[in-house]
Amino acid sequence: GENVEQHPSTLSVQEGDSAVIKCTYSDSASNYFPWYKQELGKGPQLIIDIRSNVGEKKDQRIAVTLNKTAKHFSLHITETQPEDSAVYFCAARNPDSNDYKLSFGAGTTVTVRA
Amino acid sequence: DTGVSQDPRHKITKRGQNVTFRCDPISEHNRLYWYRQTLGQGPEFLTYFQNEAQLEKSRLLSDRFSAERPKGSFSTLEIQRTEQGDSAMYLCASSSGTGYYGYTFGSGTRLTVV
Repeated sequence: GENVEQHPSTLSVQEGDSAVIKCTYSDSASNYFPWYKQELGKGPQLIIDIRSNVGEKKDQRIAVTLNKTAKHFSLHITETQPEDSAVYFCAARNPDSNDYKLSFGAGTTVTVRA
Repeated sequence: DTGVSQDPRHKITKRGQNVTFRCDPISEHNRLYWYRQTLGQGPEFLTYFQNEAQLEKSRLLSDRFSAERPKGSFSTLEIQRTEQGDSAMYLCASSSGTGYYGYTFGSGTRLTVV
């Protein structure tokens, strides 16, 4: 099955600086990669996703890049704000399989210092 | 319909008791997933339904666990003879069933077995 590794496990940044989270995946057939943000006491919320036929996708202050050859993808948050403090999870899925399940990384706790 | 609803939000039970959780997905979503999340980890897949059919169960889902989705609407997850190792956040998610769309998660049910 798919194995997703995520780094770093914790990240502290000064408000206004950028944050980068990196993930690697094992199944070369995976071609859908979402990112989720989880705030305390809430379920994960989809913030951005990317398909394998796209190398980069941006939505305001967040962007995701994908390198299929190296089997890794990254989340970039620019101009960080205190409300960006949360746990972020990457995930991968092979939509061609029958199960459609997501395999998640272990998460990155992001703290934005004011 | 504002999202995926889970009930209860919190459950404390004594070891050996049975517990049942409920999930109401987004009404037009035909796929429903159950995940388990322990502290400091990403969500782990338990099982999923397409309409009323349970199509896959993880090895994590021991014989003490059972899930149903009668009529393809809400779903229940029952844990019999709970053990302390069952303490976790149980997350439900739903999706429209197309391969490139992320899940919508509920806020989860936090189970504590004492």
